[in-house]
Amino acid sequence: SAVISQKPSRDICQRGTSLTIQCQVDSQVTMMFWYRQQPGQSLTLIATANQGSEATYESGFVIDKFPISRPNLTFSTLTVSNMSPEDSSIYLCSVRGVSYEQYFGPGTRLTVT
Amino acid sequence: GIQVEQSPPDLILQEGANSTLRCNFSDSVNNLQWFHQNPWGQLINLFYIPSGTKQNGRLSATTVATERYSLLYISSSQTTDSGVYFCAVVMDSSYKLIFGSGTRLLVRP
Repeated sequence: SAVISQKPSRDICQRGTSLTIQCQVDSQVTMMFWYRQQPGQSLTLIATANQGSEATYESGFVIDKFPISRPNLTFSTLTVSNMSPEDSSIYLCSVRGVSYEQYFGPGTRLTVT
Repeated sequence: GIQVEQSPPDLILQEGANSTLRCNFSDSVNNLQWFHQNPWGQLINLFYIPSGTKQNGRLSATTVATERYSLLYISSSQTTDSGVYFCAVVMDSSYKLIFGSGTRLLVRP
């Protein structure tokens, strides 16, 4: 299984600002994913990030709000732009391991005031 | 799209009790995983089980793919088992995980 780290682990941000979340994997992986978990809710996929191509966004998520970079096979960033209190969530990155199994990072707990 | 339903939504157990959590899905799947989310928010992989039965200590899981359901068994529950249990499926070659709504488990000492 892959070892995944995320930075920051938590943050409190003001409305209107942006936060960039980093995801680092200890091995090269083709597919990385970004999920959002709003308070008390399940996880929802934001986008799929493959190295060397533009991220693919799910319905309801747009690149202007959640720009993603994937510069190499071990790293990705998700930016939450122009934040509002509704963006307060846990943001998690995941990677695909052998076959279809996925592994998750520890998450970034974001509070927007 | 595929629907993933989990039951029960909430469960309270006394330490030492056994429980069964259920996951129903609406279409055939390539992958099914069970996760435990601890109180700190971290998702811990429990089982990767698109079909068949697996056991890991006090936990076991069974997926009957032809009938589109999976069961997670927790035996001799401990307070550290508390948290939210999610099942998630991949339906196609996109590898995207679709999560159920979760079962919130509280184990009391």
